Amino acid sequence: GAVVSQHPSWVICKSGTSVKIECRSLDFQATTMFWYRQFPKQSLMLMATSNEGSKATYEQGVEKDKFLINHASLTLSTLTVTSAHPEDSSFYICSARGSREGGTQYFGPGTRLLVL
Amino acid sequence: AQKITQTQPGMFVQEKEAVTLDCTYDTSDPSYGLFWYKQPSSGEMIFLIYQGSYDQQNATEGRYSLNFQKARKSANLVISASQLGDSAMYFCAMRESSNYQLIWGAGTKLIIKP
Repeated sequence: GAVVSQHPSWVICKSGTSVKIECRSLDFQATTMFWYRQFPKQSLMLMATSNEGSKATYEQGVEKDKFLINHASLTLSTLTVTSAHPEDSSFYICSARGSREGGTQYFGPGTRLLVL
Repeated sequence: AQKITQTQPGMFVQEKEAVTLDCTYDTSDPSYGLFWYKQPSSGEMIFLIYQGSYDQQNATEGRYSLNFQKARKSANLVISASQLGDSAMYFCAMRESSNYQLIWGAGTKLIIKP
């Protein structure tokens, strides 16, 4: 149980294009999902918290117009990187909060984005 | 102030030996949760074990156990009988009661030697 999928796993795109990443909880409902960014050899950096049916809460320094988050259902959240630039190249990973004690977050496999 | 500290950037351990990964934390919240995750080279974050601040006993999950010493504010992960597949980054994280966000440590890279 507690499986989270993320699609696509790899994206290579040209500068200026927009990229959408999907995060799905496959066998549980997730009222809260989280989006992280991870640079090589570093820990996870929280970008935003996404609650179903409401606007996402962005962390300080994260441009909400740049990283659009939609959490339209209890099993799906999407992150759209708008007008991507090379500095947006990174590993993006989502998590969904399950019902397990402690609010354990279960993670998707991540998306590697390379902007040329 | 750093809230989660993992002092071991990297560790080499012989296969089949037990290994302890250190994690100390800092919080004034009486209600909190502590988590360990494993991140292999593929990138996914795999949940290993959870310890609640009010739990009386140390958490265990198969070969993983959490050595929870509340007074010392430490939550070390113990892996018994290490395997080659245990080679990965290991992250300690804490959740405070105010929300469900996690505060992450810097991670420890564990390499199991055959």
